Amino acid sequence: NAGVTQTPKFQVLKTGQSMTLQCAQDMNHNSMYWYRQDPGMGLRLIYYSASEGTTDKGEVPNGYNVSRLNKREFSLRLESAAPSQTSVYFCASREDRGLADTQYFGPGTRLTVL
Amino acid sequence: GENVEQHPSTLSVQEGDSAVIKCTYSDSASNYFPWYKQELGKRPQLIIDIRSNVGEKKDQRIAVTLNKTAKHFSLHITETQPEDSAVYFCAAKVTGGGNKLTFGTGTQLKVEL
Repeated sequence: NAGVTQTPKFQVLKTGQSMTLQCAQDMNHNSMYWYRQDPGMGLRLIYYSASEGTTDKGEVPNGYNVSRLNKREFSLRLESAAPSQTSVYFCASREDRGLADTQYFGPGTRLTVL
Repeated sequence: GENVEQHPSTLSVQEGDSAVIKCTYSDSASNYFPWYKQELGKRPQLIIDIRSNVGEKKDQRIAVTLNKTAKHFSLHITETQPEDSAVYFCAAKVTGGGNKLTFGTGTQLKVEL
């Protein structure tokens, strides 16, 4: 199993450009999440998807959109990138069998917006 | 919503000493408390977790304690080793609503030789 995978690993954008961050998991998990990580601020939830076909806002959704394409894939889109969106983005999926609650993280995407 | 505070932000210990990281949470409905370790440039990985019906859990050199009344939980690492150097995050989960985790701001642990 590859677990949670993310593409790209690194990206540099100019202000106003758009891009989509891709995430996929092969663990048959229902729930998937997008976080951003900034120095001194921990991991903050952008959007999540509790199951295929549903998405909900997290703590910091402004400037982002998401798509739960199918059970495996959950993408994050920046329509018009801003320097404040410079961050490391992590996708995660949650094991939801029985009492299991573990979230497994992807390797991250380091995004710089100039 | 849930708010998680984590202290200290940095912690330096000598190899072999113990390290303690503390977190407090605000929502009494929180029922799951994981700890993640993140090495430089890597993804966060779960190292230990505890549920609200348990007061303490151990796994070799690491342990977590939970005080529901005071709404705080702590990570204890004994006999620290250089490979324990990393950033540690605590988190809390409230039942329902996507089973979201709220993370603390992280503790940079440095184990010195």
